[in-house]
Amino acid sequence: GAVVSQHPSRVICKSGTSVKIECRSLDFQATTMFWYRQFPKKSLMLMATSNEGSKATYEQGVEKDKFLINHASLTLSTLTVTSAHPEDSSFYICSAASLAGGYEQYFGPGTRLTVT
Amino acid sequence: QKEVEQNSGPLSVPEGAIASLNCTYSDRGSQSFFWYRQYSGKSPELIMSIYSNGDKEDGRFTAQLNKASQYVSLLIRDSQPSDSATYLCAPKGAGNNRKLIWGLGTSLAVNP
Repeated sequence: GAVVSQHPSRVICKSGTSVKIECRSLDFQATTMFWYRQFPKKSLMLMATSNEGSKATYEQGVEKDKFLINHASLTLSTLTVTSAHPEDSSFYICSAASLAGGYEQYFGPGTRLTVT
Repeated sequence: QKEVEQNSGPLSVPEGAIASLNCTYSDRGSQSFFWYRQYSGKSPELIMSIYSNGDKEDGRFTAQLNKASQYVSLLIRDSQPSDSATYLCAPKGAGNNRKLIWGLGTSLAVNP
């Protein structure tokens, strides 16, 4: 149980374009989903917390207009990186917390974004 | 003081030995604690949760919690090369949100 999928697993895009990443909880309902970014050999950096049906809460320093998050249902959240630049190249990972569970987060497999 | 402190390692143990991973945290209000394993290039995977003082065992893994000392540890018995990964300690912070506080993790290498 507690499976989270993420799509795509890898994406290469040109500078200035937008990329959408989907995160789905497959076998549970997730009231809260989290979006992280991780650079090589660095710790997980929380970008934002999204609750179903409400606006995402962004961490300090994360531009909400650049990283658009939509949590449209209890099983789907999307992150759109708008006007991507090479410095946005990173490993983006979502996680989900179950409606019925405690505080544990279940992670998707991640999306490796390369902006050329 | 960092919110979560872990020895970055690498911690190197021979196959079959016990690996001991330690973590201290600064938020006295934390009540829930999680250990995640992250293989290189992959996302974190939940391996243990602990909420009460004392020990909690699950297979080869034992989590230990001491809230008074603000200390949580993970023991891995009969370590295998497949256990080689970074282990992340993640307490839930006090407060109404569901965010976990992440350390940098300890890199474990199990040598055959």
